[in-house]
Amino acid sequence: KAGVTQTPRYLIKTRGQQVTLSCSPISGHRSVSWYQQTPGQGLQFLFEYFSETQRNKGNFPGRFSGRQFSNSRSEMNVSTLELGDSALYLCASSLARLAGDLRHEQFFGPGTRLTVL
Amino acid sequence: AQKITQTQPGMFVQEKEAVTLDCTYDTSDQSYGLFWYKQPSSGEMIFLIYQGSYDEQNATEGRYSLNFQKARKSANLVISASQLGDSAMYFCAMRGSGGSYIPTFGRGTSLIVHP
Repeated sequence: KAGVTQTPRYLIKTRGQQVTLSCSPISGHRSVSWYQQTPGQGLQFLFEYFSETQRNKGNFPGRFSGRQFSNSRSEMNVSTLELGDSALYLCASSLARLAGDLRHEQFFGPGTRLTVL
Repeated sequence: AQKITQTQPGMFVQEKEAVTLDCTYDTSDQSYGLFWYKQPSSGEMIFLIYQGSYDEQNATEGRYSLNFQKARKSANLVISASQLGDSAMYFCAMRGSGGSYIPTFGRGTSLIVHP
């Protein structure tokens, strides 16, 4: 079974631009979560989608948005990029149907490393 | 609010020896889950082990075991018979109803296994 895939793997943008990152979950997984990882802030939750609906959202500004398609593939968008948005963005998928279903582990993708110049 | 504390920024262990990575947590939830992940230099997070707050026995998965002490709010990861491939960052995380099941991660511990 194929794992979680993320595209692109590396991205370089300049301040003020916008970027879209893509995530394809493991087949059959309908829950997709996004995380931002930086040396300063560590690993922080961005949002979670289930069946095309945002189920949970972390504490990030509105410049960060996402969506999920009917095939469970997900995209996240960051508008008006800032230098501080440089990070590794990780996507994870899970079989969990309920947010509180903790026993279903999350499978992570390799991440997209975004550099903002 | 949920909080995870990993007090060991770096750990060193000899190959084939056991090592314990510390994790303490703070939550007012009665129902929560504790997780450990491994992140090699490639960047991908790999799930290692899960412990539910109501699980009476400590979780084990192969060479990984979780030393769960609920009263002390600690969930230490024990890796037995360390291998060179165990060198990586290790993250402790929790999810609970009080945090709307949004995961909270610790800052991680860097483990280096020496031959």
